[in-house]
Amino acid sequence: QVQVVQSGAEVKKPGASVKVSCKTSGYTFTNFYMHWVRQAPGQGLEWMGIINPTGGTTNFAQKFQGRITMTSDTSTSTVYMELSSLRSQDTAVYYCARGRAGTRNGMDVWGQGTTVTVSS
Amino acid sequence: QSALTQPASVSGSPGQSITISCTGTSSDVGGYNYVSWYQQYPGKAPKLLIYDVSNRPSGVSNRFSGSKSGNAASLTISGLQAEDEADYFCSSYTSSTSRVFGGGTQLTVL
Repeated sequence: QVQVVQSGAEVKKPGASVKVSCKTSGYTFTNFYMHWVRQAPGQGLEWMGIINPTGGTTNFAQKFQGRITMTSDTSTSTVYMELSSLRSQDTAVYYCARGRAGTRNGMDVWGQGTTVTVSS
Repeated sequence: QSALTQPASVSGSPGQSITISCTGTSSDVGGYNYVSWYQQYPGKAPKLLIYDVSNRPSGVSNRFSGSKSGNAASLTISGLQAEDEADYFCSSYTSSTSRVFGGGTQLTVL
């Protein structure tokens, strides 16, 4: 069955970087885009960006431009999201979510989430 | 890109119908038929309920329906059940080829 499994929780100091992985299985990795979405404690969902695993083309929310990187590894069907210059406001649960085929906006399979805590 | 506007909370009794609104602009909700809706339980990942304004993925109950008029989209839940108590988020494609979410609506089943 289709699965998306994320890496474990991270604790980082302000100014550091974090890299979260999202390993997929059960479908053709290169046929689906992957979104990254985060949710701060008690807050709503925030779209961060999207990657086309074929070729690695990305599109980021303006808010994260300059400090976010998304990459893909087709040999392991895994996508990565790296966020740098972390501050306390980046403390959140980070999700990867597969983009549903045939639409520009529908995230149909979600990872379990990765908690990132930024604290000195 | 500003978040889409949703009511913070709605409530209804079992068996009733409720509607959650999602208001954007002509650069997002009004400009494209790419509105989606998600259900989220505490501590869990969101689940896709509706995509492309009114389409349900396989396995989603037909008690959930979506619509759009102008710059506003709506999610209607009919025959309200206790298990529907959750947070609901809308999302839209935007003119800058990004996506934007609403602030979320907490549904309480009385």
